[in-house]
Amino acid sequence: DAKTTQPPSMDCAEGRAANLPCNHSTISGNEYVYWYRQIHSQGPQYIIHGLKNNETNEMASLIITEDRKSSTLILPHATLRDTAVYYCIVRVLGNTDKLIFGTGTRLQVFP
Amino acid sequence: GAVVSQHPSWVICKSGTSVKIECRSLDFQATTMFWYRQFPKQSLMLMATSNEGSKATYEQGVEKDKFLINHASLTLSTLTVTSAHPEDSSFYICSAREHGPSQPQHFGDGTRLSIL
Repeated sequence: DAKTTQPPSMDCAEGRAANLPCNHSTISGNEYVYWYRQIHSQGPQYIIHGLKNNETNEMASLIITEDRKSSTLILPHATLRDTAVYYCIVRVLGNTDKLIFGTGTRLQVFP
Repeated sequence: GAVVSQHPSWVICKSGTSVKIECRSLDFQATTMFWYRQFPKQSLMLMATSNEGSKATYEQGVEKDKFLINHASLTLSTLTVTSAHPEDSSFYICSAREHGPSQPQHFGDGTRLSIL
């Protein structure tokens, strides 16, 4: 299983872009990178996923390096409600398609 | 977007009782659902994969007879914690995946279980 490495915590000023890095140097060619976040005492919320190309949706942008060994989740204009634990996960393909959660990055957005 | 509903959101019960938690996919069919547990200040830990119409697949170290999983329809999976004890107190979360090889899993809001 490809593992991910994320910084344990980050701070970001409200209104600024939050850039959350993730290292997944052992990723396989057909494994996707998924990002979820978990706000305290809630279930994880899906944010975005990608394979090779950069992706953007209404929540965030995902930048994947050309060698696919790392990626960055970008929240373009962070708000206080974006304070959460962000998980970068490489999807294990196969019959079960399990998601294995690491420890994530605790993002604190401050006023 | 895809919605997963989990019920109940919070349950308190006495030691020795059994507790059933429901997980429903509201606007899509899910042949596969997943059950996680999360202890305070820790990450989610996958317990089992629930497959519609067949037996669940449990992760190593998870007791099958303790955590009974039933996935009787394409929109409903249940987790029953049998003869619950205080050490079973935790946050239980389910997820379901939309059809398609790269589709994301969507999570319920979790069930906080407290065993007295």
